[in-house]
Amino acid sequence: AQKVTQAQTEISVVEKEDVTLDCVYETRDTTYYLFWYKQPPSGELVFLIRRNSFDEQNEISGRYSWNFQKSTSSFNFTITASQVVDSAVYFCALNGGSNYKLTFGKGTLLTVNP
Amino acid sequence: GAGVSQSPSNKVTEKGKDVELRCDPISGHTALYWYRQSLGQGLEFLIYFQGNSAPDKSGLPSDRFSAERTGGSVSTLTIQRTQQEDSAVYLCASSRGEPNSPLHFGNGTRLTVT
Repeated sequence: AQKVTQAQTEISVVEKEDVTLDCVYETRDTTYYLFWYKQPPSGELVFLIRRNSFDEQNEISGRYSWNFQKSTSSFNFTITASQVVDSAVYFCALNGGSNYKLTFGKGTLLTVNP
Repeated sequence: GAGVSQSPSNKVTEKGKDVELRCDPISGHTALYWYRQSLGQGLEFLIYFQGNSAPDKSGLPSDRFSAERTGGSVSTLTIQRTQQEDSAVYLCASSRGEPNSPLHFGNGTRLTVT
């Protein structure tokens, strides 16, 4: 069985603060894929990043960075110098290599206040 | 290019009525998913279609729910004898079909059962 846990239900920060969204996963597959999606107030889920289980290199894209650690089964997402436009619900998701069912966490509502 | 299109965007129905929700995936995408998003509940997997293979219906919550995908393209999710607990946003997504392919989501259908 697959499981994704996002322990932080809601986070509120002030603009320009750094914020880290936690994601912990469980899977029995040796090959798997991890994703982060953003759901702004408009409602449409937007793909942010994909990581496979064999690549533990951290990735940075502008103000976004991701820290994948197999040893702790975590795939955390950090936003540096947050902006109001970052306000959204962020979902972490897992797809085991043996099936195509993408399992989502319950999401973290991030509010960035001006 | 065109994204995933869902219709209607909003649907209000009376308890006990049947409803049909439609999804037009991105052209060329072989995989199609239906998810349900209830308030505070994250995304719940409903059903998955991949090419001509038998669909994975393991997430359908009851036999009142069914889905079809005609010609490997358009999909219809049908809910019979709707109940108030069916009220949610129903999201459709498509992908190229590999397990590492990101899902592209539509804007969803907000279903309200009165």
